[in-house]
Amino acid sequence: DAGVIQSPRHEVTEMGQEVTLRCKPISGHDYLFWYRQTMMRGLELLIYFNNNVPIDDSGMPEDRFSAKMPNASFSTLKIQPSEPRDSAVYFCASRTGTRYNEQFFGPGTRLTVL
Amino acid sequence: GENVEQHPSTLSVQEGDSAVIKCTYSDSASNYFPWYKQELGKRPQLIIDIRSNVGEKKDQRIAVTLNKTAKHFSLHITETQPEDSAVYFCAAGRSGNTPLVFGKGTRLSVIA
Repeated sequence: DAGVIQSPRHEVTEMGQEVTLRCKPISGHDYLFWYRQTMMRGLELLIYFNNNVPIDDSGMPEDRFSAKMPNASFSTLKIQPSEPRDSAVYFCASRTGTRYNEQFFGPGTRLTVL
Repeated sequence: GENVEQHPSTLSVQEGDSAVIKCTYSDSASNYFPWYKQELGKRPQLIIDIRSNVGEKKDQRIAVTLNKTAKHFSLHITETQPEDSAVYFCAAGRSGNTPLVFGKGTRLSVIA
């Protein structure tokens, strides 16, 4: 298994532009998580899905952020419009729903908004 | 909800010495406590975990201890090596369908 796959690995954009981050979870995993990592705030959980259904999006900072999971093998995190304070590393992670399961992180997308 | 506090935020040790990182949690229902290591520019990766029915677990130079009464758990690294330098995150969660809550991380530097 290739593990959790994220694209792009790096994204540089200008303020006001739309940004779409992509994630492919590990096959068979029914939980998918989106995190944002910054020096100041550490690892923040933005939203998570179970069986493609959003369960908790209370970590999504603003209406500019949205996430979808149209099927079991694909999820997107969209920021529109982007702002410089959105600059961070965004990680996707997945795991199975049974007890005590290891959560696997993707390689992350480093987003820079100028 | 769950809240996880992690200390210290930075830790420097001499190569060969031991390092200890401590975490406390607030939700007495939490029963799963993993530790992740994140090297510079890389993803967090699980290095060891402990479940609430166990007080201690060891894996070579790494050990975790759990005190459920006091709601704290610790990571111990013995005979530290330069490659142990990284950011370490503790986390707490319940089994099944709730997300892990992570501490803020500890930046460990092992000085050769």
